Amino acid sequence: SQQGEEDPQALSIQEGENATMNCSYKTSINNLQWYRQNSGRGLVHLILIRSNEREKHSGRLRVTLDTSKKSSSLLITASRAADTASYFCATRPVGDDKIIFGKGTRLHILP
Amino acid sequence: GAVVSQHPSRVICKSGTSVKIECRSLDFQATTMFWYRQFPKQSLMLMATSNEGSKATYEQGVEKDKFLINHASLTLSTLTVTSAHPEDSSFYICSARDLATGTEAFFGQGTRLTVV
Repeated sequence: SQQGEEDPQALSIQEGENATMNCSYKTSINNLQWYRQNSGRGLVHLILIRSNEREKHSGRLRVTLDTSKKSSSLLITASRAADTASYFCATRPVGDDKIIFGKGTRLHILP
Repeated sequence: GAVVSQHPSRVICKSGTSVKIECRSLDFQATTMFWYRQFPKQSLMLMATSNEGSKATYEQGVEKDKFLINHASLTLSTLTVTSAHPEDSSFYICSARDLATGTEAFFGQGTRLTVV
């Protein structure tokens, strides 16, 4: 089963622009994580935000969490070609050890 | 951060044979490991939760007799794809949670299985 829905499903932007991806989920969560995956490769953990946090930064990444709307956003500022990848949100529902992934956003940075 | 090692990274096998994939937590103990499958251009779908010393819990629609999971120690879980068919070709990824911190899950690098 999948918990999260990302939008957009695909996003193409010019290098240097900001990229924003959104994630919505269905149940109450302990935390939400964002991962990056290059084509055919493993997952790279980007950032974890807990349910009692509203915003978190890491380098060029900014993640927000709105538990009342059950949604999160990932902002990548000053995008680079190397940011081209698929991005997934993943949630850990309350009372569960599972981590459930959203459908992902395929981000393509145009040179 | 903690390291999860998955082996092999790629495997090609003939239809009807079985393939074993290993998932090891290298520098931490994990009572629980998770196995995911990912088809091309799709997301990761949870297949099963592997608990050390007990039977795995499978997600709906996943055949437990086809995907055998063994979690014999706090650092090793294995997934065996039995009687593999071409439709089992996929990317399989494991993850494990560190008991000490309990929040973040660490993922293996994945195994690309091709059944010919």
